[in-house]
Amino acid sequence: EAGVAQSPRYKIIEKRQSVAFWCNPISGHATLYWYQQILGQGPKLLIQFQNNGVVDDSQLPKDRFSAERLKGVDSTLKIQPAKLEDSAVYLCASSETSGRATDTQYFGPGTRLTVL
Amino acid sequence: AQSVTQLDSQVPVFEEAPVELRCNYSSSVSVYLFWYVQYPNQGLQLLLKYLSGSTLVKGINGFEAEFNKSQTSFHLRKPSVHISDTAEYFCAVSRNTDKLIFGTGTRLQVFP
Repeated sequence: EAGVAQSPRYKIIEKRQSVAFWCNPISGHATLYWYQQILGQGPKLLIQFQNNGVVDDSQLPKDRFSAERLKGVDSTLKIQPAKLEDSAVYLCASSETSGRATDTQYFGPGTRLTVL
Repeated sequence: AQSVTQLDSQVPVFEEAPVELRCNYSSSVSVYLFWYVQYPNQGLQLLLKYLSGSTLVKGINGFEAEFNKSQTSFHLRKPSVHISDTAEYFCAVSRNTDKLIFGTGTRLQVFP
């Protein structure tokens, strides 16, 4: 079974530029998550999708971050404009069913973003 | 609101020695508890989880954890570690429909 795919793996940009990350979850998984992992911290949930609807985006900085999950499969996360403090690893995860916390989440390898 | 504290940022240990990674949580209600492992340049992988029932939970790769409600702890243990266990370990807590809250992680470094 293929895992969660993410691209690119690494990205370096200057502040005020825009950037986009892509995630392809495990086939058939209904729930998709985007996490931000700043160096030295644990992952923090940015947004959770159930199929193509948003379940939780309470910690997404909506003035600069946006995400979409078209057709309930792939997802993109965009930052525009980027700030220095956005430097982090962005993790995508998926789970099979309802998105309850008891479901096992499967994580991709992440995209490491450096903002200069 | 719940939170997680991982008391040790780094734990060095020699191969074949036992190890314990500590995790404490705070919550006013019943919670679910998880341990995830992150190998270098890889995503997180679930080691084990406590949802209910027996307080001793066995996971993959020989790891186990014990839920202690009175001490609000969920420490991870392995009786004999291998070089391949070198990784970052994250404890996480959640309530039923709430998001996972992760700790800051503990880096386990196993030396030959």
